[in-house]
Amino acid sequence: NAGVTQTPKFQVLKTGQSMTLQCAQDMNHNSMYWYRQDPGMGLRLIYYSASEGTTDKGEVPNGYNVSRLNKREFSLRLESAAPSQTSVYFCASSERDPLETQYFGPGTRLLVL
Amino acid sequence: QKEVEQNSGPLSVPEGAIASLNCTYSDRVSQSFFWYRQYSGKSPELIMSIYSNGDKEDGRFTAQLNKASQYVSLLIRDSQPSDSATYLCAVRETGGYNKLIFGAGTRLAVHP
Repeated sequence: NAGVTQTPKFQVLKTGQSMTLQCAQDMNHNSMYWYRQDPGMGLRLIYYSASEGTTDKGEVPNGYNVSRLNKREFSLRLESAAPSQTSVYFCASSERDPLETQYFGPGTRLLVL
Repeated sequence: QKEVEQNSGPLSVPEGAIASLNCTYSDRVSQSFFWYRQYSGKSPELIMSIYSNGDKEDGRFTAQLNKASQYVSLLIRDSQPSDSATYLCAVRETGGYNKLIFGAGTRLAVHP
């Protein structure tokens, strides 16, 4: 039981390049989330998926797209990376009940030059 | 814009002391509050949740909630060096489906 896994762990991009961050969970959770964490700013929600087949914007969605591929997988795509997207990205999941805990993956450190 | 405010710290306490971490929030109708711990370079993990006014205790941790004052705190008794981490306060956004608003976190340093 791996919990929430993310790939890659670290990535360097040049401005304008694209990439997809992968996230998978094996806890049979319905809801999944993508956050970014910047120094002094805490975690900010980019997109979330309340259930398979649905996605919604969070606080900072500009420059990102997501795909809920199936119940297990939720990917985050940067179509044209910008230096402002340099951050640590966390994927999380939770059961359907809104009071349930969110479980976080290990994170992806992204550097955009 | 709904906000969650925390003192960034660092809060430095000696081993064995009580560490008190505070959090204020702007959404008056928020009902669910969470404390996550994040070690340096690691992902956040939930340590406490609280939904009702008053205190909730779990081992060395006590969460305190005062909805009238829009204030939630975390007390760590008998602090250990292994408690040194950043503590994130999170508030469930009203009307949002399990959407959490996080504070920037307070860094706690427990010295021997």
